Amino acid sequence: AQKVTQAQTEISVVEKEDVTLDCVYETRDTTYYLFWYKQPPSGELVFLIRRNSFDEQNEISGRYSWNFQKSTSSFNFTITASQVVDSAVYFCALIRGNSGGSNYKLTFGKGTLLTVNP
Amino acid sequence: DTEVTQTPKHLVMGMTNKKSLKCEQHMGHRAMYWYKQKAKKPPELMFVYSYEKLSINESVPSRFSPECPNSSLLNLHLHALQPEDSALYLCASSPIVGQGGTEAFFGQGTRLTVV
Repeated sequence: AQKVTQAQTEISVVEKEDVTLDCVYETRDTTYYLFWYKQPPSGELVFLIRRNSFDEQNEISGRYSWNFQKSTSSFNFTITASQVVDSAVYFCALIRGNSGGSNYKLTFGKGTLLTVNP
Repeated sequence: DTEVTQTPKHLVMGMTNKKSLKCEQHMGHRAMYWYKQKAKKPPELMFVYSYEKLSINESVPSRFSPECPNSSLLNLHLHALQPEDSALYLCASSPIVGQGGTEAFFGQGTRLTVV
């Protein structure tokens, strides 16, 4: 079975601070995909990134960066120079990549509530 | 246009009412999903439609009845709900079920309150 752990339930920072959201996953599959979604108070889950299990390259997109390390089964997310608009719940998720089985189902972590104070 | 539209945004219904939630996407996606999200919890998958056919039912009670009239529309019919069914109901779509772990695009959800 798959499992995603986001150990940080809530994080509070002051604007312009850097913040890292942790994500640790468990799977026996060799092919899988990892995601980060942002859920602002409006409710919509906003897709941020998808990473497959064979691509360990870190990625940067503006103030966002992701660090994927298969050796520690982690897929951490860093926001640089945080802004009030970054306040949201962030979910890390995993989906199986093998054909057949439950490769339709996102396994979500419990989410991390990030509050960025002015 | 990466958008999934859900209506209504808010719904209050009595336990004897019948209501429907609607979801629409025009991205040409062939997989559509219903999720239920309770407060301070992650979304939980309810149903998966693939090419307009129901392919997955995650043991959802029959008081929830999904329908996919065409490739762009997904409905969730509600009947005889309980107060514990109050939640945010999210619709999502993806190009195809499973293949390549393609990202799902979510709507803003319908906040349902059962009284």
